Order: sequence, then C-alpha cells, then structure tokens
Amino acid sequence: QLQLQESGPGLVKPSETLSLTCTVSGGSVTSSTNYWGWVRQPPGKGLEWIGSISNSGSPYYSPSLKSRVTISIDTSKNQFSLNVTSVTAADTALYYCARLGAGGFVMMFDYWGQGMLVIVSS
Amino acid sequence: DIQMTQSPSSLSASVGDRVTFTCRATQTISNYLNWYQHKPGKAPKLLIYAASTLQSGVPSRFSGSGSGTDFTLTISSLEPEDFATYYCQQTYSALEYTFGQGTKLEIK
Repeated sequence: QLQLQESGPGLVKPSETLSLTCTVSGGSVTSSTNYWGWVRQPPGKGLEWIGSISNSGSPYYSPSLKSRVTISIDTSKNQFSLNVTSVTAADTALYYCARLGAGGFVMMFDYWGQGMLVIVSS
Repeated sequence: DIQMTQSPSSLSASVGDRVTFTCRATQTISNYLNWYQHKPGKAPKLLIYAASTLQSGVPSRFSGSGSGTDFTLTISSLEPEDFATYYCQQTYSALEYTFGQGTKLEIK
C-alpha cells in the first residue's frame, strides 16, 4: 500500500523560502507508473494544484506560481520536494503531496499524504 | 487556461436524499475529469476518475457522468458520512490540473 508523508517547517517568515518534503513508502518515486504532485488549501478556501513531476524528474507548474515554485525528486531517499520562494501570508495553507496515478489516459491524484499546515508569519 | 466552475457552491440535504453536483469546464476536456471528497482534517479522497469510473473501494451510490464540458456527480442515497466538500478537477491540460471551487454538502 502506497503511503505518503509530508514534512518540513510549519512556520516560515515572509520573503523566505518554504520547503517541504514528501516521503514515499510502499513504492518507488522512479517507478514508471508514478508521477507526483503538490496541492494546497488556504484557510477557508478550496484546493489549488501547485505542480507535478514525472518519474523521470520533469516538472510542470501552475502558471500562477511558476516563477516561485520548484518541485524535484530525490531518488536516494525515495522522496520528492516542494520549494516556494518569496512567500507571503497568501502562501499560508495546508499543503498536500499526492501521487498522480493513471486510469487509461486520464491522470488523477489517487494517493495523498495527510497534509501539513504551513503558516507564513514573522 | 481551463477554468472549472462547480454548482451549487453549497447544498443542504438529508440522509437518504439523492443529490447531484455539476461541474463545467471553459473548454472541452473530453473525459479528463475527476471528483474528490474532502472532509476537514483529512486528505482528499478520489471518488471518480475519467468522468465516470468509480475508484476502487468507493461505494456504488456514487456515480459520475459527462463528457466535453459538462459533468455531474450523483450520490443516489445520502449516508451520514457523505457530508463533505466535493471538488472536480480537470487533468486534460498537463500544464495546469485545475480544481473547481468546490461544493459543500451540508446536513439539512
């Protein structure tokens, strides 16, 4: 059974970089069937797709966040990570990592971490 | 970019009711449409993928339909555990996997 777990600082200062890691167990980040992604939910708002990365490490990002976001894979640790630079209070959110599975040609987030609250505040 | 609009934004219903949520895309997305259930403090749960395929383990009272730009999620007979927020998501455009704004299902 695939399991994902987010980790990282829960408090980040404005203008600094938010860094989160997702540790994958029960499967490999480099498996040909696995793509990965990050989703966030600001307080009182809906889900927002941040970006995704293929098993070979090719990323693609939300246009609204593209200039500040980096997603990468660490094969040695079976993890993938999220960096968001120059954060503001608007980046305060519950951050989820998830696996992008495939149902035929359709991709979907079928396994999720439990989520991690990150607060941006001085 | 593709925008997803869900309606209604909230819905009140009773246990045993049949409810339907709608999701509309600003351009055709074929059947690249997924539905998720989200409860406070929990991870979102995939219910339906490819517009109408029930995810393994999801009760058969959930069903999805649609293609192109208009999609629906139906719960045939509400159970107490179904009260949550429901999101649609398009994965047609690899450049942006957009979610709808959500429909909150509340107990009447």
